[in-house]
Parts: sequence; structure tokens; C-alpha cells
Amino acid sequence: KAGVTQTPRYLIKTRGQQVTLSCSPISGHRSVSWYQQTPGQGLQFLFEYFSETQRNKGNFPGRFSGRQFSNSRSEMNVSTLELGDSALYLCASSPGRTQETQYFGPGTRLLVL
Amino acid sequence: EDQVTQSPEALRLQEGESSSLNCSYTVSGLRGLFWYRQDPGKGPEFLFTLYSAGEEKEKERLKATLTKKESFLHITAPKPEDSATYLCAVQPITDSWGKFQFGAGTQVVVTP
Repeated sequence: KAGVTQTPRYLIKTRGQQVTLSCSPISGHRSVSWYQQTPGQGLQFLFEYFSETQRNKGNFPGRFSGRQFSNSRSEMNVSTLELGDSALYLCASSPGRTQETQYFGPGTRLLVL
Repeated sequence: EDQVTQSPEALRLQEGESSSLNCSYTVSGLRGLFWYRQDPGKGPEFLFTLYSAGEEKEKERLKATLTKKESFLHITAPKPEDSATYLCAVQPITDSWGKFQFGAGTQVVVTP
């Protein structure tokens, strides 16, 4: 089975711009979770989508949003970028029930200048 | 408040020198505990899932164990290719959909 894929892999933006990141889960997986990873804060949960519905949300400002499509692919959007948004953004997929392992993609490295 | 603490922060081992990494957690209830390894610039790679105290899982030179308050990842006779950051994550029983809470990780370097 193909793993989780994320595009683009690298992105450079300037403050105030917005960005959209994409994630394709493992075939058959219906849950997609997004995480932000920075050296100072480690891996932090952003939100989770299942069957096109957001089921859970972390403690991030409203500038961070996401959606999921009927084929389980997901996108996350960050508006009005700030320098502190520079990070590795990881998406993880799982079948969608509780107690299930999440499988991570390679991440999108975002640099905000 | 749910918390996951990993120790040590960094570990330098000689090839063949066995050691253990610790992950202690405080959560109101535990659905599962997960171990991952992460290489620089890459996404975390799944290693083990543990669900209940007393459970053990093994894979090659790695063995994970779980108690009610902590988990250990034992590395037996490590090789240089075991160099990575090892991450522990817990899924709390409440507010759990898709949400893993990660520790800061243990950076392991194995020298020949």
C-alpha cells in the first residue's frame, strides 16, 4: 500500500500571505490528523477530520483551518502567516476508529520570511 | 492536565551498548501509547502500539513495555542505523478523536 503523501514538500512564504497544504491518506483510511512540529514546542495537534467532518481541534488560532474531501484527501490552510508559523506540518492517517495507530506522511516544511 | 515526559533528552551510545528510554505520562485515562522513530527532515515512522499495563512488543533490537504510569523502549545491541529521535505519544481516553499527545523525544546517537 502506498503511504501518506503530502504536497508540497517545501514552501517559502512571506508574512501576511496564506498557504494551503495537501495530504492524501493511505488507501482505505478515513481519518486525517494534522500536526505542527517545531524545535521549541515539539509535535502539537492541530485538528482531525473523518468523513469530511472535523471531529477534534487543538489549541491553535482560527487562522489555521482545514477540510476533508469525499475521497478522504485533506487540506489545511493558514491565513495571514506569521514568522512563528514556520514549522514542519505533518499529516497522519488512520482507519478512523479509536485506539488506532496513526501513520505519518513526510511533512511539508514551511518557512515564513 | 495531560502530560507526556520523555527522558533522557539525548543519549549517546557505542555500537552494542544496550540502553533504555523512558516515557512517563499523566492522563485521566489511556486509550493507547505509541512509539515512533523520526529521522531528520522526515515524518515519524511507526514502531509500536501498547494498550494495557503489562503489554510488551518487540521488533528486531527494540522492545517496548508499558506500566500504568510509564513506558520503556529498550534498545539491545544498537547499531549506527538506530540513530534517530524516538517519540512517545499517548491517546487520552477523553477528547481522543485523532489526537495524540507527544513527548519531546529522545535523540539517540549510536557511534561505531
